[in-house]
Amino acid sequence: DAGVTQSPTHLIKTRGQQVTLRCSPKSGHDTVSWYQQALGQGPQFIFQYYEEEERQRGNFPDRFSGHQFPNYSSELNVNALLLGDSALYLCASSSSYSGNTIYFGEGSWLTVV
Amino acid sequence: AQSVTQPDIHITVSEGASLELRCNYSYGATPYLFWYVQSPGQGLQLLLKYFSGDTLVQGIKGFEAEFKRSQSSFNLRKPSVHWSDAAEYFCAVGANTGFQKLVFGTGTRLLVSP
Repeated sequence: DAGVTQSPTHLIKTRGQQVTLRCSPKSGHDTVSWYQQALGQGPQFIFQYYEEEERQRGNFPDRFSGHQFPNYSSELNVNALLLGDSALYLCASSSSYSGNTIYFGEGSWLTVV
Repeated sequence: AQSVTQPDIHITVSEGASLELRCNYSYGATPYLFWYVQSPGQGLQLLLKYFSGDTLVQGIKGFEAEFKRSQSSFNLRKPSVHWSDAAEYFCAVGANTGFQKLVFGTGTRLLVSP
């Protein structure tokens, strides 16, 4: 049973560019959330997707957007990258049917130069 | 709004000694509480969770945590620490409304000395 998988593992982008990060949830999970973890900090909630719609959003600008596909996988897009966007981006999945346990992937390390 | 405080940024424990990591939360109703562990450069691994019922919960790797409503605390404990326990530990709180958004503390880095 595969857990939450994310890609790419590491990437380097230039200021002003755009990036797309991908996530496949744990088997049987239908809800995907994205978190940003800056160096030395705890993860911060970006948004959550359920039934292909953004259900809840944290305090992040509109440069951060997402998508959920019919197979429950998800993408996180960040436009007009800033140096401050450098962080570990974590995807988390859970099931709307079987409880509130939330599982995280290994994350995607984004460095903006 | 939910919030979590982990008052200890770093803790050093000798191998074989007991461990307690502190976590205080703020939430208006009964919270969902979690402890996650993160090794350097890795994602988050769930250690244990509390939703309801018995206030002493057991987790993986010999960890346990106790929910104390009167103190708004959910401290993590382990009776005997192993060198492999060195990592960053995060406490998180979630609302019991069906939306599974977590609010994390800033983490406690555990160092294990020989």
